[in-house]
Amino acid sequence: QVTLKESGPALVKPTQTLTLTCTHSGFSLGTSGTRVSWIRQPPGKALEWLARIDWDDTKFYSPPLRARLTVSKDTSKNQVALLMTDMDPLDTATYYCARTRYFSSGVQFDSWGQGILVTVSS
Amino acid sequence: DIQMTQSPSSLSASVGDRVTITCRSSHNINTYLNWYQQKPGKAPSLLIYAASSLQSGVPSRFSGSGSGTDFTLIINSLQPEDFATYFCQQSSSVPPWTFGQGTRVEMK
Repeated sequence: QVTLKESGPALVKPTQTLTLTCTHSGFSLGTSGTRVSWIRQPPGKALEWLARIDWDDTKFYSPPLRARLTVSKDTSKNQVALLMTDMDPLDTATYYCARTRYFSSGVQFDSWGQGILVTVSS
Repeated sequence: DIQMTQSPSSLSASVGDRVTITCRSSHNINTYLNWYQQKPGKAPSLLIYAASSLQSGVPSRFSGSGSGTDFTLIINSLQPEDFATYFCQQSSSVPPWTFGQGTRVEMK
């Protein structure tokens, strides 16, 4: 059974750096073909893909956020981390990690964590 | 980036109704289109991938169609557990992977 769970602070101040951790089970990022993405959703708004990391340490970032994001993995701990610098109130959102499939049929987010609400406020 | 536009943004329906949601992409994406269901306070879950393939465990009353720029999600005989928000997502090989703004299905 595939599970993912996000952890990190619920509240950060403007200009601070957010660090989130995704702890997963049921699959390993040490296995060829596995991938994990980060996706966020501001309250009442649409989903926004942020970043992806692959088993071979290939990384992709959302172009408008690329300068602020860093994604990394610790395969031994089954964890994926997301760092976002210079946090702003507009970054207030629920942040999700999701296992990502990539087949000839495209990229799909087939298992999601429960999400973590991060509020940016002084 | 590829922009995804859903319509309507919300709709009211009754149990047993047939519901149709549309999604339009700004570029030709062939059948690189997924649909997700999100219930309040929960994470999204994958319903349909590659425009028309049902994800394992998803009831057959859900179906998807379309290619190119125009796509449709149909829910046949709406059930009480189907009241939720639905998102489309373009799934081409090139990031960023973008979502529609969502369609909220409410009880009439």
